[in-house]
Amino acid sequence: EIVMTQSPATLSVSPGERATLSCRASQSVDGNLAWYQQKPGQAPRLLIYGASTRATGIPARFSGSGSGTDFTLTISSLQSEDFAVYYCQQYNKWPLYTFGQGTKLEIK
Amino acid sequence: QVQLVQSGAEVKKPGASVKVSCKTSGYTFTTYYIHWVRQAPGQGLEWMGIFNPNGGRQSYAPNFQGRVTMTRDTSTTTVYMELSSLRSEDTAMYYCARGSVTGTRDGLDVWGQGTTVTVSS
Repeated sequence: EIVMTQSPATLSVSPGERATLSCRASQSVDGNLAWYQQKPGQAPRLLIYGASTRATGIPARFSGSGSGTDFTLTISSLQSEDFAVYYCQQYNKWPLYTFGQGTKLEIK
Repeated sequence: QVQLVQSGAEVKKPGASVKVSCKTSGYTFTTYYIHWVRQAPGQGLEWMGIFNPNGGRQSYAPNFQGRVTMTRDTSTTTVYMELSSLRSEDTAMYYCARGSVTGTRDGLDVWGQGTTVTVSS
């Protein structure tokens, strides 16, 4: 089983600043990685797939990078609506998908 | 538009089974995989399994093997997830989500609203 580890568990950033979230896989997942955003009381929303492709309707301030075992989600200039929990997910070892434990992005 | 609409909240006793439905619309039912994901209160997302509406093939996460069954009704474009031998740790929000076009792999782009399942004696 591929284990996905996200860091940090909680990230405190001020509005307007850049946020960098990390996700590491226990073995290579190539570029088969997605990022999701989840706000309280809502279902998750797909942000990034294929490690770096923004999903439909996702603002350009969200970007993904990485391949193999190390991935990054960057939010270039934080807006108030961006404070949420973010999850990475691998789908390389198909059909078995795995989520990371999440990073909570909070207002500093 | 593409929508996944789930059935309502359930309260079950330990040892019972629960069956959650996910009604799809707005796209060709047999073209996309359906996934099930759960989230215990205050916890992260846990992937449960994947279902192929085109033929009915399923694959489950190791933690759920032997306890989960996914089925479909093509006439109503609905996918079902049944979880048996419920225990208190199964108390969670259960989501269905649309995956990639069958034969490919990708993220989960459309999600249902979630179904709360409470297991309590």
